[in-house]
Amino acid sequence: EPEVTQTPSHQVTQMGQEVILRCVPISNHLYFYWYRQILGQKVEFLVSFYNNEISEKSEIFDDQFSVERPDGSNFTLKIRSTKLEDSAMYFCASRKDGGTYEQYFGPGTRLTVT
Amino acid sequence: AQSVTQLDSQVPVFEEAPVELRCNYSSSVSVYLFWYVQYPNQGLQLLLKYLSGSTLVKGINGFEAEFNKSQTSFHLRKPSVHISDTAEYFCAVSDHFDYKLSFGAGTTVTVRA
Repeated sequence: EPEVTQTPSHQVTQMGQEVILRCVPISNHLYFYWYRQILGQKVEFLVSFYNNEISEKSEIFDDQFSVERPDGSNFTLKIRSTKLEDSAMYFCASRKDGGTYEQYFGPGTRLTVT
Repeated sequence: AQSVTQLDSQVPVFEEAPVELRCNYSSSVSVYLFWYVQYPNQGLQLLLKYLSGSTLVKGINGFEAEFNKSQTSFHLRKPSVHISDTAEYFCAVSDHFDYKLSFGAGTTVTVRA
């Protein structure tokens, strides 16, 4: 069964550094999402992406964040200058057009900012 | 905007006992409803969903949920739990436009022998 994959599974970075989190959505899906889950808190929506542009973003998704689909398969989340409070599990999700509207989630990348 | 309230943060339960996890939502528009499960150190897996039609939906692993529009609830149930059901359970809603998910705070289910 096709699945969403994410790399790396765990990333440790120093405050102020740039990080890129990578996701490979399911191949025939058209809508892509990033969510994050700070330890012990709820899963929060960050951004949705369709047709090579952001369709919606939350207040969390400020100028330090960006997303890109650089080729036909990858979907990336970049944080330009990480802060301690960016430490969280980041989940990528994708869904196909129409159908059951189900979002399929990747296993997540745990980002630790020191 | 939608919001989700999961009324129980922790639910301890004995093996083979029934369990119910409560979820209430608020929204000014029609929504789709979902329950996801997160096993330790893993990602989110869809248990079941309500899009339309029958208000009782059945999902994987013997779980079911009932949509109650008048009470804006979507409670999850399982008649007999196993040790392997120990996990965190998230209720989520999405609108009919962008379909982004709004999650509840989660309910930790711990099943004991």
